[in-house]
Amino acid sequence: NAGVMQNPRHLVRRRGQEARLRCSPMKGHSHVYWYRQLPEEGLKFMVYLQKENIIDESGMPKERFSAEFPKEGPSILRIQQVVRGDSAAYFCASSRGSVYQPQHFGDGTRLSIL
Amino acid sequence: AQRVTQPEKLLSVFKGAPVELKCNYSYSGSPELFWYVQYSRQRLQLLLRHISRESIKGFTADLNKGETSFHLKKPFAQEEDSAMYYCALRGSNTGNQFYFGTGTSLTVIP
Repeated sequence: NAGVMQNPRHLVRRRGQEARLRCSPMKGHSHVYWYRQLPEEGLKFMVYLQKENIIDESGMPKERFSAEFPKEGPSILRIQQVVRGDSAAYFCASSRGSVYQPQHFGDGTRLSIL
Repeated sequence: AQRVTQPEKLLSVFKGAPVELKCNYSYSGSPELFWYVQYSRQRLQLLLRHISRESIKGFTADLNKGETSFHLKKPFAQEEDSAMYYCALRGSNTGNQFYFGTGTSLTVIP
């Protein structure tokens, strides 16, 4: 079991471009979570998805950010018109179910905005 | 509102000395508390959770509801314990999202 796979590991974008971050959950896991870690801060929850559904997006900025977890393929976190403040490490986690199930993390994607 | 506080950003101890990483939380209901660890160049991984009441790699943590704390302890630190440690909370009414502290970087000095 390869674990949670995130790609790319590093992503560089210029201001105004779009950033797409991918996350493939562990085999058998149908719940995906995205977290953001700004410099000098802890991980902050962004969004919780199950296949084809957004369950909780209370941590997601209202504009420019979106997430999906289609029936086939990885979960995608999309940031449109990136700004310098979007520079951060973005972590994906997955779990088998929602109750009393630990979350397993990927290596993260480090997004740098020029 | 739920909140997890790790007051120490950096902690250094000598090999063989006891170590305690502090974690305090704020939550009105019944929380589930976790410790995650991130070794150098590795991904974040679960170390232990309070409901399991287990000891992993010599570490233990007891949930103290009176003091709203979940401190991580180990009686004799080893060099391989050097890592970043995160305390996390999941509440009964927070869905399945975790709330993380800012982390404590532990360095064990040989």
